[in-house]
Amino acid sequence: QKEVEQNSGPLSVPEGAIASLNCTYSDRGSQSFFWYRQYSGKSPELIMFIYSNGDKEDGRFTAQLNKASQYVSLLIRDSQPSDSATYLCAVNIDYKLSFGAGTTVTVRA
Amino acid sequence: EAQVTQNPRYLITVTGKKLTVTCSQNMNHEYMSWYRQDPGLGLRQIYYSMNVEVTDKGDVPEGYKVSRKEKRNFPLILESPSPNQTSLYFCASRGGGFGYTFGSGTRLTVV
Repeated sequence: QKEVEQNSGPLSVPEGAIASLNCTYSDRGSQSFFWYRQYSGKSPELIMFIYSNGDKEDGRFTAQLNKASQYVSLLIRDSQPSDSATYLCAVNIDYKLSFGAGTTVTVRA
Repeated sequence: EAQVTQNPRYLITVTGKKLTVTCSQNMNHEYMSWYRQDPGLGLRQIYYSMNVEVTDKGDVPEGYKVSRKEKRNFPLILESPSPNQTSLYFCASRGGGFGYTFGSGTRLTVV
């Protein structure tokens, strides 16, 4: 079993819609959780982090964490063409940050 | 500007010819790490360093070496590169608990 798994995608959403991305992790000792955005050929860019169960909102982004279900999600509201990218879920345990394979999102104008 | 600098950005080399990819950060971060990214496999950790002279293996360390003689620098060494090391490499550093800052990446091709 992979440590971090994401919907394989690709995910296509119309402009203005909500994009929903899911991620599950295998290690219950995981301490913190991150969402990165990566444009093609570029380096990952941190967009959200969450440590506690519940929701965390930052602008159009909302991260949700459920440690009991070992599940973390990212919602992108009012999706824009500039949100078209690959989104990487990452899970931190001590000094190790493990990544999922990523979900590619395309926002249709 | 706070950043992680990798060099070179692109590198084509031949099998067996030793190479070094440099990584430097100006944020005084203690923790640094190397990842490789391959299609469908995501980012996989190669090595990490918790501080000067303290390094440890990640998930895919075979064929790589690292050193951490200074806090700001964390070079990745391929003593005898092989074609299966063709990949996109990222260096990253971490300060506090707020995720990693990544370098711009090095696209390595081994022929």
